[in-house]
Amino acid sequence: GQQLNQSPQSMFIQEGEDVSMNCTSSSIFNTWLWYKQDPGEGPVLLIALYKAGELTSNGRLTAQFGITRKDSFLNISASIPSDVGIYFCAGQGGGATNKLIFGTGTLLAVQP
Amino acid sequence: NAGVMQNPRHLVRRRGQEARLRCSPVKGHSHVYWYRQLPEEGLKFMVYLQKENIIDESGMPKERFSAEFPKEGPSILRIQQVVRGDSAAYFCASSTNQGSNQPQHFGDGTRLSIL
Repeated sequence: GQQLNQSPQSMFIQEGEDVSMNCTSSSIFNTWLWYKQDPGEGPVLLIALYKAGELTSNGRLTAQFGITRKDSFLNISASIPSDVGIYFCAGQGGGATNKLIFGTGTLLAVQP
Repeated sequence: NAGVMQNPRHLVRRRGQEARLRCSPVKGHSHVYWYRQLPEEGLKFMVYLQKENIIDESGMPKERFSAEFPKEGPSILRIQQVVRGDSAAYFCASSTNQGSNQPQHFGDGTRLSIL
């Protein structure tokens, strides 16, 4: 099935560092979303983006919806140990179906 | 996880048995989605339902899998005659009915293991 290309696949950083990850697609999406998944749990919505070029923040998290509508990035500033987890981007095409197409995930490990 | 309740959290079945996974959406949400996640992969869309209607089942295998979202009660994902390849985490999400592209909120999933 269709998937978004997400990079990097994994990141191992020190507490306090900034993190950046991105997602690209060959298809246009109307909405981009970023989720975080902890082991044994479901994805938790972090940020939703609805307009091309939109830049949105949620605390230490900032995400942008690319102008071409085919990409998005997520930045985490001043990382802390509880940021550990897998981050997924997801694109939503809209129309008759609201299904989400998920990226391949970025595993983030933060060393105290 | 925003109130989406899934049960059971873990389900073990032998090959050939049936698996029934339940999802109660966030109160007031009338749109339900089912996704499947294999180990170390992202979630893959299976089916999208509104109350009593299947809107998009393009991600669901044609055989052995079915889904429903009755007027009363939870949404059910049913897998008949399970095989080893059905082992995965199955997640349900829900959203409001106010326009398209409403954020989907996920439950904590059902982890299905086939012996």
